[in-house]
Order: sequence, then structure tokens, then C-alpha cells
Amino acid sequence: GAGVSQTPSNKVTEKGKYVELRCDPISGHTALYWYRQSLGQGPEFLIYFQGTGAADDSGLPNDRFFAVRPEGSVSTLKIQRTERGDSAVYLCASSLEGGRETQYFGPGTRLLVL
Amino acid sequence: AQKITQTQPGMFVQEKEAVTLDCTYDTSDQSYGLFWYKQPSSGEMIFLIYQGSYDEQNATEGRYSLNFQKARKSANLVISASQLGDSAMYFCAMRAPQNAGNMLTFGGGTRLMVKP
Repeated sequence: GAGVSQTPSNKVTEKGKYVELRCDPISGHTALYWYRQSLGQGPEFLIYFQGTGAADDSGLPNDRFFAVRPEGSVSTLKIQRTERGDSAVYLCASSLEGGRETQYFGPGTRLLVL
Repeated sequence: AQKITQTQPGMFVQEKEAVTLDCTYDTSDQSYGLFWYKQPSSGEMIFLIYQGSYDEQNATEGRYSLNFQKARKSANLVISASQLGDSAMYFCAMRAPQNAGNMLTFGGGTRLMVKP
């Protein structure tokens, strides 16, 4: 079946602008994760959804970052007043239930803030 | 807090030879899971292999095997018969059970380059 998809694949924006990044998880997966991967580093956890609710948002760096999953499927990561330091690859992953199941990743969105 | 350490920033291997990528971890949990992912230049993280902390045997998946040494807290990935398509970044990750949802903690990665 279809894997995790993310759009856009690339996003270039200017400092101070607002951006939205979209993730479409594997059908039937109730758990959804967002990670951020800076150049030359491993991914770092941002937020986890179980169904529609954010079960853990401890990885969000500040209040400029927000994510939603209103219907328990597609999720949108929203970044306000973007800064150059937000430039990174934003990865989305999903798993069947959020417990011990393997997380499957999408191709990521490469965000560049000029 | 969990920590994953990958001490090899880059590795070369000759095509058709085996290669070991190192991973050590630190956790106070008794129950945990260890994962290896491959990230080619396209950027997608591809799941390779999983080892549970209570699994008695080392995990194997095709050409991939995990050399799990619990007492040493190491979970090295062994790739047998390397292929040119194995050239990529490889990340070791650990599941953090005390956090809701079991998010993954990743190491810094190892870049593997397979020489023809």
C-alpha cells in the first residue's frame, strides 16, 4: 500500500513568513510523529499524535511551532514567523498504534528560510 | 534520558564485502527497542531492522543483522555482501518507553560508501 507522503517536498520562504507542512500517514495508522533533521544530524522528535490529540509535544522548540491533526489522519505542522534557524528537513512518521510498532517515515519536507 | 552514539561519521567498504556500523546506547529502562534506518540521498528514512531488549536472539533481515550485546549496551548493524545501492546514511535509534508514544531517539548517523 501507499507509504507516508509529505508535501511540499521543498519549501523556500523568507524570514518572518508563515509556513504549513503537510503529512499524510499510512492508512489505518493512528500514531503520527513529526521530527526535524538539521544538516548532518539525526532526526529530533517534535510532536506525537495519537488519533486527533497531541499526546506529547515536548519536542516543539517554541510557541512558533504548532501542529494539528483534526480528523485523525492528515497532519499539518505550522511554523509562524519563520527564522533562518528553522531551516531543516521536517520528517513525518506513522505507526499502527504508537506503542512498540515500527515507525515508517515519509520523504520529508526540506524547508529553507532565507 | 536516552542517548545514542554512533562513533563512525564515515565508512568505506568494498563491494561484496561485509561491514559493521557501530552503535552504543544509554538508557535506564529495562524494556526498550533498537532500530536501524537507512537514509539515501533522496532523504527518506527506510526501516531496516529491529531488536527488542528482551529478544534472546540477534535480529536478522536478509543481508542485515544486528549484533546486540546488552551488557555492553551496543547494537551494531552488520551488512553482508555490500552492494553499491547500500551507499547511504545509516541511523541507529532507540525507542523511549517512558515517554508517551515511544518516540525515537536517534544517533548522529554513519555515512557508508560502497566502492566498486
